[in-house]
Amino acid sequence: GAGVSQSPSNKVTEKGKDVELRCDPISGHTALYWYRQSLGQGLEFLIYFQGNSAPDKSGLPSDRFSAERTGGSVSTLTIQRTQQEDSAVYLCASSLAIGQGVQQYFGPGTRLTVT
Amino acid sequence: DQQVKQNSPSLSVQEGRISILNCDYTNSMFDYFLWYKKYPAEGPTFLISISSIKDKNEDGRFTVFLNKSAKHLSLHIVPSQPGDSAVYFCAATLRSNDYKLSFGAGTTVTVRA
Repeated sequence: GAGVSQSPSNKVTEKGKDVELRCDPISGHTALYWYRQSLGQGLEFLIYFQGNSAPDKSGLPSDRFSAERTGGSVSTLTIQRTQQEDSAVYLCASSLAIGQGVQQYFGPGTRLTVT
Repeated sequence: DQQVKQNSPSLSVQEGRISILNCDYTNSMFDYFLWYKKYPAEGPTFLISISSIKDKNEDGRFTVFLNKSAKHLSLHIVPSQPGDSAVYFCAATLRSNDYKLSFGAGTTVTVRA
């Protein structure tokens, strides 16, 4: 049974470059969340997709961050003009539709390092 | 504004003994509380949850206790095993907030042989 997968597992980029992080949720899960974990911190919510509804972007830290979810499945988180403070582990999670369970299943994360 | 707090960054316990992890929260409207376990280079994995209408939930060696009046929950692991060494995150969520999780900073548990 496939879990949530993310790619790449590690990404090193130079300050000012754009990066794209990919998430493949569990098949049949309509809800998809992005979080990030900075060093020594807990997980911080970034953005949420539910089915075909407009995403909840309330957690995005700046307008350099954006995400999309194509066909209700794969999601891409894009960070433009990366800064050193963007260095973190970016985690994707998926879950069943609201009302069918609260448990979120996490991928292994993408460790982003901005030099 | 951190709504979920884990004030102990680390815990060391001897194998076979009880591990007690604590978590405090500020939002009395939270519907569910969850504990996740995380190994290095892996994503968090779900351990156990509790609804806000309950005060205890047990699953094998893991028991979560909720004290709503104190806005406090705890995770008990008994007996502790070497494989329990990991980072444990407390999380809370609201149905009205689309179940987005608010996480504590985590507690690193080390089980000594």
